Amino acid sequence: EDQVTQSPEALRLQEGESSSLNCSYTVSGLRGLFWYRQDPGKGPEFLFTLYSAGEEKEKERLKATLTKKESFLHITAPKPEDSATYLCAVRWHGGSEKLVFGKGTKLTVNP
Amino acid sequence: DAGVIQSPRHEVTEMGQEVTLRCKPISGHNSLFWYRQTMMRGLELLIYFNNNVPIDDSGMPEDRFSAKMPNASFSTLKIQPSEPRDSAVYFCASSPTGGYGYTFGSGTRLTVV
Repeated sequence: EDQVTQSPEALRLQEGESSSLNCSYTVSGLRGLFWYRQDPGKGPEFLFTLYSAGEEKEKERLKATLTKKESFLHITAPKPEDSATYLCAVRWHGGSEKLVFGKGTKLTVNP
Repeated sequence: DAGVIQSPRHEVTEMGQEVTLRCKPISGHNSLFWYRQTMMRGLELLIYFNNNVPIDDSGMPEDRFSAKMPNASFSTLKIQPSEPRDSAVYFCASSPTGGYGYTFGSGTRLTVV
């Protein structure tokens, strides 16, 4: 069983069309849920860390939220430059410092 | 800060050859991680070091893979002998201890023919 599951695998939006990406996790004792953005040919770039249910973080058109078993990355009025693969990862008690990643959601925003 | 530096960016090698990937972490970061990324399996942790000591190598696929961190500013991942199924993008990442996110390098794209 995967510890981190992201959905959908791919999402195509029109510019300005808001939507949400989902990340669900099965680990117990969460020590942090991380969102990354990855552009083609590059390494993942850190966006947010969430630590407890109810927490929210925002950056430009992105807002990340966390519940007890999942996180959402809300994208408001996206632009073509938001096109990328978005990855989430978890760290938990007993997992020491390692992060386990989901397979990502590939977002395409058409002009 | 130059970030996490990996070399080479691309490597094409023949099956059976030895491959060495290199990583320079961010100065002051005392945790270093090696990941492999493929379309099928996503990002998989291979091994990580804390203060130059290997902590968890449970993700290393088999004995053909080995990793070292001789000092705080340098790590290598070696594959010997290489096989076509090792073809992937290999990322190095570093972080300070204490629950922070990682900073990733740009990766090495390995192709074994």
